[in-house]
Amino acid sequence: GEDVEQSLFLSVREGDSSVINCTYTDSSSTYLYWYKQEPGAGLQLLTYIFSNMDMKQDQRLTVLLNKKDKHLSLRIADTQTGDSAIYFCAVLYGGATNKLIFGTGTLLAVQP
Amino acid sequence: DTEVTQTPKHLVMGMTNKKSLKCEQHMGHRAMYWYKQKAKKPPELMFVYSYEKLSINESVPSRFSPECPNSSLLNLHLHALQPEDSALYLCASSQDGGDSSYNSPLHFGNGTRLTVT
Repeated sequence: GEDVEQSLFLSVREGDSSVINCTYTDSSSTYLYWYKQEPGAGLQLLTYIFSNMDMKQDQRLTVLLNKKDKHLSLRIADTQTGDSAIYFCAVLYGGATNKLIFGTGTLLAVQP
Repeated sequence: DTEVTQTPKHLVMGMTNKKSLKCEQHMGHRAMYWYKQKAKKPPELMFVYSYEKLSINESVPSRFSPECPNSSLLNLHLHALQPEDSALYLCASSQDGGDSSYNSPLHFGNGTRLTVT
């Protein structure tokens, strides 16, 4: 079955880098996503990576994928207080249906 | 700003009421989704529509009834809900209708916060 896990909480100082980790169990994933959710809001798509890629960089965001270990990470460079939110990784199992399974979510707290 | 619009933003309803949640997108996406999110939990998939046909129902109770009148609109009709159904209901859409090798990202609305009293 599909299981996607994240650590619950990460605290960093403003200006430092943040690394949020995600592990998944089912290797038939196609795309892997990172979403950000601020309090009381919906989900904002941050970035995504195709399963045959190892790395993707998008401004302050770097996504690393280790398909052998089924490990995904999101690095946020120069973390700002506005980055404080819950971050969800999500794994897409494609084929006939688009079934997106979310991780448990990591609360990122940025200290000034 | 999200390109998926959900109304209303907040809804309070009694257990005997009938209400509907609405979702609209004008990105030309052919797949639309309903997710339910409880506090401090990840979103859970409820329904998927692909090319206006229901393709996934994740064993959702019949008191939740989805409807896709056209490719831009998705409704969720609510009847005889329970207090434990109180949650944030998120709508999403994606370009791909699920029948090709390209699976596009899901774009989410800001959700409807539902309280059942």
